[in-house]
Amino acid sequence: QKEVEQDPGPLSVPEGAIVSLNCTYSNSAFQYFMWYRQYSRKGPELLMYTYSSGNKEDGRFTAQVDKSSKYISLFIRDSQPSDSATYLCAMSETGGFKTIFGAGTRLFVKA
Amino acid sequence: DVKVTQSSRYLVKRTGEKVFLECVQDMDHENMFWYRQDPGLGLRLIYFSYDVKMKEKGDIPEGYSVSREKKERFSLILESASTNQTSMYLCASSLNAGSASGTFGSGTRLTVV
Repeated sequence: QKEVEQDPGPLSVPEGAIVSLNCTYSNSAFQYFMWYRQYSRKGPELLMYTYSSGNKEDGRFTAQVDKSSKYISLFIRDSQPSDSATYLCAMSETGGFKTIFGAGTRLFVKA
Repeated sequence: DVKVTQSSRYLVKRTGEKVFLECVQDMDHENMFWYRQDPGLGLRLIYFSYDVKMKEKGDIPEGYSVSREKKERFSLILESASTNQTSMYLCASSLNAGSASGTFGSGTRLTVV
């Protein structure tokens, strides 16, 4: 079993839809939870991160962490064609150097 | 914004060649990382460095080595390239350990023929 599981998609939605991206994990020691966005032929860019449980909102993006269920989510409101990319979840332990990445979910937002 | 620069976007090398991938960051970050990214497997950590001349193995170090002679530069070396090392290679740097993983370069797509 992988430490982090993420549905690879692809996920195709119409413009304006609410998108839900999810990851599950098995290591209860993870404390940092990140979401990266990766456009084609580019490196990942950090979109949001949260520490421990709870929600974090940044514009159209909301990250949620449920440590009791070992489940994290990224919601995108009012999705735009420019949101079309691969979204990677990532996690690490406090003080640890290693970050474990999900395989990424490919998202297509149709105009 | 911190910038991580990888010297080559695309490389084609022959089996058995020694290959050098270079990465430079400009924000005085302590930590630097090399990952490879393959479809369906996500990013896998090859090596990382938390200080000059210091290096630690990641999850898939076999067939690779690294060098960090200066704080801003972290090199990945494929001692004898093989076809199964065809991949996208990503360098990253970060200020703090265990926090958000920082900034990635644009990647080097290496093809070994």
